[in-house]
Amino acid sequence: GAVVSQHPSWVICKSGTSVKIECRSLDFQATTMFWYRQFPKQSLMLMATSNEGSKATYEQGVEKDKFLINHASLTLSTLTVTSAHPEDSSFYICSASSQGVLAKNIQYFGAGTRLSVL
Amino acid sequence: AQTVTQSQPEMSVQEAETVTLSCTYDTSESDYYLFWYKQPPSRQMILVIRQEAYKQQNATENRFSVNFQKAAKSFSLKISDSQLGDAAMYFCAYRSPDTGNQFYFGTGTSLTVIP
Repeated sequence: GAVVSQHPSWVICKSGTSVKIECRSLDFQATTMFWYRQFPKQSLMLMATSNEGSKATYEQGVEKDKFLINHASLTLSTLTVTSAHPEDSSFYICSASSQGVLAKNIQYFGAGTRLSVL
Repeated sequence: AQTVTQSQPEMSVQEAETVTLSCTYDTSESDYYLFWYKQPPSRQMILVIRQEAYKQQNATENRFSVNFQKAAKSFSLKISDSQLGDAAMYFCAYRSPDTGNQFYFGTGTSLTVIP
């Protein structure tokens, strides 16, 4: 099946610093990538949808200047949490999908990134 | 936006027994996709099974099967011969063909498998 790699798996940073999370589709071209945030024992909350080569579409209530998303290629999307604060501590998950036969319109998920802001 | 409801926050099953997780959804669309994803303690989301709304036949993947009732907007997951490795959070998801592949997730059901 399709594989999505997300890196890093865990990052600890100081308040005020920026953190970049990478999401790569390893064996297929991801026309669309999604970024989710998940709080403990809760469901996934969609933050934004990004299509290769275009600006990301953010969900209501998500600060686009706070959570910068770049989808520069068909295999890579990045989420940068700028000027991170303790309230940004969470589990961030990316997923990727393709219109191609391989992915069959399924979302394949990365393993997630645990962000801890001190 | 479509809504997906999982009314069972927690479920438990004896090892080797069968358990059914419920999911209902609200939509006015006729063509869509439904999914069950599993999230074990590792937190990696794993696709369990998918169903296209235009298919009347219920999807099956080994010990996992669904009961898709389109008119009732119900999409339950049956796990047969439950194994310890089935313990996880299970999320039901709805995908509309008209919203750029966006998924709508339910709130999840935590499944415990009792040895």
